[in-house]
Amino acid sequence: EDQVTQSPEALRLQEGESSSLNCSYTVSGLRGLFWYRQDPGKGPEFLFTLYSAGEEKEKERLKATLTKKESFLHITAPKPEDSATYLCAVQSRGGGGADGLTFGKGTHLIIQP
Amino acid sequence: KAGVTQTPRYLIKTRGQQVTLSCSPISGHRSVSWYQQTPGQGLQFLFEYFSETQRNKGNFPGRFSGRQFSNSRSEMNVSTLELGDSALYLCASSPLGQGGSYEQYFGPGTRLTVT
Repeated sequence: EDQVTQSPEALRLQEGESSSLNCSYTVSGLRGLFWYRQDPGKGPEFLFTLYSAGEEKEKERLKATLTKKESFLHITAPKPEDSATYLCAVQSRGGGGADGLTFGKGTHLIIQP
Repeated sequence: KAGVTQTPRYLIKTRGQQVTLSCSPISGHRSVSWYQQTPGQGLQFLFEYFSETQRNKGNFPGRFSGRQFSNSRSEMNVSTLELGDSALYLCASSPLGQGGSYEQYFGPGTRLTVT
């Protein structure tokens, strides 16, 4: 059974204070690892897909990295508008067809001005 | 391009009733997945449809069902509602459907409250 654990559960930073969010996973063959951002009352917003260990992707102040056991979402010089819940999800190499995503519980990030 | 739309956005039902939720995917997307989100369990996969066929199902009771139409629009139905079914129900669509990984784009969700 696929499992995803995110840490910390909550993180409060000052504006400009860089940090990293962790996503540890166990999966029977990784097909893809996904990062989403979710604002209160809204659906998750897609950020990144990572496919293999060593891969990195960047978008504005965010950078996602992947190893064989975990992924990190690095946030550089964050701004208050980066405040949200960040969700990590994995998709495993099932027996053909599309498998649903297995999500972690998320990290609730607050950036204080 | 318009995003995933879901209707209704909010719904209040009584225990024992049934409910139908609707989802319109992004134009051109043929795969539609449904998820339940609660504070305790987080986001959990319900099922996925592609070309009007259910291809995969999560670990939910048979009271939860769905279908997909020829235009890729999808509905999910929950019968004999229980208090524990109160949740945010999210629909996600994807442009790919044949193997490989794919990104899923989520709608705003339907907030269901069971009293």
